[in-house]
Amino acid sequence: DQQVKQNSPSLSVQEGRISILNCDYTNSMFDYFLWYKKYPAEGPTFLISISSIKDKNEDGRFTVFLNKSAKHLSLHIVPSQPGDSAVYFCAASAYGQNFVFGPGTRLSVLP
Amino acid sequence: GAVVSQHPSWVICKSGTSVKIECRSLDFQATTMFWYRQFPKQSLMLMATSNEGSKATYEQGVEKDKFLINHASLTLSTLTVTSAHPEDSSFYICSARDYSGSVYEQYFGPGTRLTVT
Repeated sequence: DQQVKQNSPSLSVQEGRISILNCDYTNSMFDYFLWYKKYPAEGPTFLISISSIKDKNEDGRFTVFLNKSAKHLSLHIVPSQPGDSAVYFCAASAYGQNFVFGPGTRLSVLP
Repeated sequence: GAVVSQHPSWVICKSGTSVKIECRSLDFQATTMFWYRQFPKQSLMLMATSNEGSKATYEQGVEKDKFLINHASLTLSTLTVTSAHPEDSSFYICSARDYSGSVYEQYFGPGTRLTVT
């Protein structure tokens, strides 16, 4: 059973527009969430995190929103740039245990 | 952010040989490191959790005698693929956990592409 889901395998967005990547989870014990960006043949790069005591965290063009009641989080990228084209993984952890990764969403930012 | 390195970045080996992959945390000490495997167009699959000074914890379905993990120091963990076969060809990624106060981050290495011929 997938504890972390990213239901959109791919997303295309025009440069300059907002990219919204979604992630749903089933385990209510998860208390810490991360978003990673991954280019082909490279390791994931940490983007932004959020703990369950917050509902929003912002870092430059990246904002993560957490809706605990819906067990849903989203990553907003504004404005989207061609260099943002990559696969984005969300990951969740419960009480310092290992992170569980979603299947990823491939974002394509079109010039 | 913290830096994690892996060596080698890619390796080609013959079937039946063993390959060692190193994972180092360069600017922090990591009591816990993780080894992942990624198949094409799939998510990261956790293989094992490596704890400094103790035996690794393997995920279900991962052969511990085939994938030997040694976390000899706070900055180094190694994964040895023993008697490699073509089906072991994959992209192997390590990560290290860095605790900073009350929060923790998990940083990934650049990955190692293993091709077994």
